[in-house]
Amino acid sequence: GQQLNQSPQSMFIQEGEDVSMNCTSSSIFNTWLWYKQDPGEGPVLLIALYKAGELTSNGRLTAQFGITRKDSFLNISASIPSDVGIYFCAPRRVTGANNLFFGTGTRLTVIP
Amino acid sequence: NAGVTQTPKFQVLKTGQSMTLQCAQDMNHEYMSWYRQDPGMGLRLIHYSVGAGITDQGEVPNGYNVSRSTTEDFPLRLLSAAPSQTSVYFCASSYSQGEAFFGQGTRLTVV
Repeated sequence: GQQLNQSPQSMFIQEGEDVSMNCTSSSIFNTWLWYKQDPGEGPVLLIALYKAGELTSNGRLTAQFGITRKDSFLNISASIPSDVGIYFCAPRRVTGANNLFFGTGTRLTVIP
Repeated sequence: NAGVTQTPKFQVLKTGQSMTLQCAQDMNHEYMSWYRQDPGMGLRLIHYSVGAGITDQGEVPNGYNVSRSTTEDFPLRLLSAAPSQTSVYFCASSYSQGEAFFGQGTRLTVV
């Protein structure tokens, strides 16, 4: 099966701090997606990355598709209380049915 | 445009009962999938479909059946519920290479 490691598992930060999380794998992927899940809701897409080396921003969020196609990171700058939630990386594999695989998630708590 | 709609939102079953979780999308996506989410394990793929009439197994298919008679609907059937199937179930749809859109989930408890 796919080995997908997401870290850290959880983070407690002060409002205003920057956050960084990443996913690594032994497999190659052709797409990396980052999702956020609020309590009681389904995951919502934050950023999509389609090319190795691609760096993409969405407001205070920045994500990069690793050059080896085996990893990706997500940064959040100047965190605010509504950033609280679980963040998932979800790469899509190169061949087959293009299924998404999900990391185990990073649970972010922002302390006002 | 409702996106992905899942019903019911909550369900309690007794061991051995069967039921169907409903999923419908109105975005004309050809690709639909079912995931289960358990604490500390992320989302795991149960079954998926790349188009009407085509389904295949994901990572954890045992105990579940699916069918895809229309582009819009992708129901998930639990044949004989077990406590190990207590979980939160998410349906998602996408174009084959695009971003997946998720429903709000069905919280299932099997007692």
